[in-house]
Amino acid sequence: GEDVEQSLFLSVREGDSSVINCTYTDSSSTYLYWYKQEPGAGLQLLTYIFSNMDMKQDQRLTVLLNKKDKHLSLRIADTQTGDSAIYFCAETDTGRRALTFGSGTRLQVQP
Amino acid sequence: KAGVTQTPRYLIKTRGQQVTLSCSPISGHRSVSWYQQTPGQGLQFLFEYFSETQRNKGNFPGRFSGRQFSNSRSEMNVSTLELGDSALYLCASSLNSPDSATTGGVFFGSGTQLSVL
Repeated sequence: GEDVEQSLFLSVREGDSSVINCTYTDSSSTYLYWYKQEPGAGLQLLTYIFSNMDMKQDQRLTVLLNKKDKHLSLRIADTQTGDSAIYFCAETDTGRRALTFGSGTRLQVQP
Repeated sequence: KAGVTQTPRYLIKTRGQQVTLSCSPISGHRSVSWYQQTPGQGLQFLFEYFSETQRNKGNFPGRFSGRQFSNSRSEMNVSTLELGDSALYLCASSLNSPDSATTGGVFFGSGTQLSVL
């Protein structure tokens, strides 16, 4: 079945760039998502990318997709303390009608 | 434009009771999905509805059910509650199915935190 893996924890200093990585097993994955979850809150959609794209940039966020290695990354430029949260990677495929999530990466931003 | 609205925000029930959670999707969105989030199992898919039809269901027992109304609002019901049903239940909406090229993104509500005592 589908599986999505993420590292559990990442710590960076304020102002540095953060790179959160995600790998997935389903070679037919067509849509890949990044979400942010703050304590006690729901999931905030950050960005998503179609599998026919290699990169997508949106302000401080850059998503890179390597389909050959089934690897997705989210880069946050100039990381701020407000970026501290759990970041989830998710993927889906045509016909599945559901997202499969990774276990989340906790990003800690130190002042 | 209002986001995905879930009610209630918090719920406390006892074992054996049943519960109904409500979700109002973003205006114009026709697909509504439900997910369960627990510390141990993470985020797991429950079911997806589109135009009042359940099109996919996750690996949950029959005690978990849902429905979607003609205005796209959705409810999920859990009967005979167990301690293990304690979780954050998240509703998501999108224009079309999450796997569609025209989905325009999948947006989540703030969730309903269910505690079963």
